[in-house]
Amino acid sequence: AQSVTQLGSHVSVSEGALVLLRCNYSSSVPPYLFWYVQYPNQGLQLLLKYTSAATLVKGINGFEAEFKKSETSFHLTKPSAHMSDAAEYFCAVNVQGAQKLVFGQGTRLTINP
Amino acid sequence: DAGITQSPRHKVTETGTPVTLRCHQTENHRYMYWYRQDPGHGLRLIHYSYGVKDTDKGEVSDGYSVSRSKTEDFLLTLESATSSQTSVYFCAIRMTSGSSTGELFFGEGSRLTVL
Repeated sequence: AQSVTQLGSHVSVSEGALVLLRCNYSSSVPPYLFWYVQYPNQGLQLLLKYTSAATLVKGINGFEAEFKKSETSFHLTKPSAHMSDAAEYFCAVNVQGAQKLVFGQGTRLTINP
Repeated sequence: DAGITQSPRHKVTETGTPVTLRCHQTENHRYMYWYRQDPGHGLRLIHYSYGVKDTDKGEVSDGYSVSRSKTEDFLLTLESATSSQTSVYFCAIRMTSGSSTGELFFGEGSRLTVL
């Protein structure tokens, strides 16, 4: 069965610094992969998705993620953190044809001024 | 905006009482889901539906039941609420038209506290 592991439940960076949130997946067949963001007291919003068209995926708000099959990873990055990026981020996997998403445990991102 | 409305948004109840959460969508999507969110666990699937009267269990279905008598509404029922069911509950729909790759769109959540 597919699964997702997010490394680090809390990540703290300074404003303007690189953001790196780690996600590793387990799947026996090519997966679809997603990053979602959740701002306080809100639902989850889709940030970006990997669907096998390109290994480097660009999303909203300057975020991007790279699919690395050899490392079974889909890490999320942003070159320069902004205070408004403070939120919780979830990685999710959906095996092609499957009817449901499996989510990681989430990573809370804090931005220091 | 996927047109998802959850109600109630907040509820406090006592152990042993029944609770029903409602998810309403306006766009006739076939797939609907209920997840719960708890610190350290991310989102875990409770139940999902793939059509009217067609439902299936997720990974944490014990203590929960669902019903879907019409396309637009998916109800989650806690027959006898327990403190372990204190959580934030999210409804989601799956876009299945066009080139959908299975991503979900979420409602705003329903915060349930069981005392």
